[in-house]
Amino acid sequence: TQLLEQSPQFLSIQEGENLTVYCNSSSVFSSLQWYRQEPGEGPVLLVTVVTGGEVKKLKRLTFQFGDARKDSSLHITAAQPGDTGLYLCAAEGGNKLVFGAGTILRVKS
Amino acid sequence: DAGVIQSPRHEVTEMGQEVTLRCKPISGHNSLFWYRQTMMRGLELLIYFNNNVPIDDSGMPEDRFSAKMPNASFSTLKIQPSEPRDSAVYFCASSLSTRDNSPLHFGNGTRLTVT
Repeated sequence: TQLLEQSPQFLSIQEGENLTVYCNSSSVFSSLQWYRQEPGEGPVLLVTVVTGGEVKKLKRLTFQFGDARKDSSLHITAAQPGDTGLYLCAAEGGNKLVFGAGTILRVKS
Repeated sequence: DAGVIQSPRHEVTEMGQEVTLRCKPISGHNSLFWYRQTMMRGLELLIYFNNNVPIDDSGMPEDRFSAKMPNASFSTLKIQPSEPRDSAVYFCASSLSTRDNSPLHFGNGTRLTVT
């Protein structure tokens, strides 16, 4: 059983569409991180959320941490082909950073 | 800042051979992590070091895997003997500390293929 469950596993959309991906758990976390990984590269940190209910914006990306600090979502507005990649959430589990399985996003032009 | 540097980028070897993966963390970072990524299992933490000392190696699959960090600027992950099921992308990452909101900086990985 994964500590962090991400959904959907795969998403293919047209340029300009909006989308939301989710990261859920039954555990409470003090913080949660989102990373994006492009083919042939390592994951790159996008954001860290710390406070329950927190909302952070990074250009067209909006990150929300659940009130109970058990889940998080990433919303992308007007997706671009450059948003294509693997989106991973990560949180502290057993004194180490554990990653979800990720959502593969493909944005078609 | 050159980022985390891993070598080689690709390694193809035959079953039974020894494989050594190398990592140079970002200067000033105190923590170093080795992860393995596969389609089936995603990103798995193998081992991490803090101030060059191994802290948690519970993710190391078996005795065939070993990791060292002789100094603050270099680490190796060795597989001996290698097996086809070890085929994966191996990532090294570093961070300023092991605090839970300290971001990881990943290298571009070593793609290992064992035939």
